[in-house]
Amino acid sequence: DIVMTQSPDSLAVSLGERATINCKSSQPVLYSPNNKNRITWYQQKPGQSPKVLIYWASTREAGVPDRFSGSGSGTDFTLTISSLQAEDVAVYYCHQYYSSPYTFGQGTKLEIK
Amino acid sequence: EVLLVESGGGFVQPGGSLRLSCAASGFALSDYWMHWVRQAPGKGLEWVSYVNNDGSGTVYAASVRGRFTVSRDNAKNTVFLQMNSLRAEDTAVYYCVRSTDYFDSWGQGNVVTVSS
Repeated sequence: DIVMTQSPDSLAVSLGERATINCKSSQPVLYSPNNKNRITWYQQKPGQSPKVLIYWASTREAGVPDRFSGSGSGTDFTLTISSLQAEDVAVYYCHQYYSSPYTFGQGTKLEIK
Repeated sequence: EVLLVESGGGFVQPGGSLRLSCAASGFALSDYWMHWVRQAPGKGLEWVSYVNNDGSGTVYAASVRGRFTVSRDNAKNTVFLQMNSLRAEDTAVYYCVRSTDYFDSWGQGNVVTVSS
């Protein structure tokens, strides 16, 4: 099984500042047909379903603000929020859809400092 | 608009059974793989199972293999998760999820509580 490890477990950032969440996969998740990494980032607010932010490691979902960006390669991936807004308080998950079981990171709780 | 609506959850004693349904609308169900993902109270997300487009292929997480069965009825636009021999650790919100290149659409979730 591919283990997804996020860091940190929790993060407090001031409004307007940058937030960075890391995700490490225990093995590569590169999809050969398009040479892209099969990593998705989700945002989950209390009582809500997860919402897709980023797929293929760096492609922003339609309607997601451009302050959210994804990057990374190999086994190391990053979600960056360039300027934190109050509505970004949530738990963030990375996810690999490369091989079953399709595992998730443990989540990173993002709060306002 | 893509809509996935789960139903069938509730309270059940250990060893009991439940059948979850996921009603899909706004798209052609037969074009997509479908998954079940669960989230225990206060915990993270756990992938449970998938079924391919026509129902001929299924895969399960080790934690539910042999106890849960996923199926679909494309004509009725519905996906099912039959859960048998339920345990306390199966207590969770169960989400029905559509996948394309990623898990792109999620239902609102359905609560399953296993307790004596």
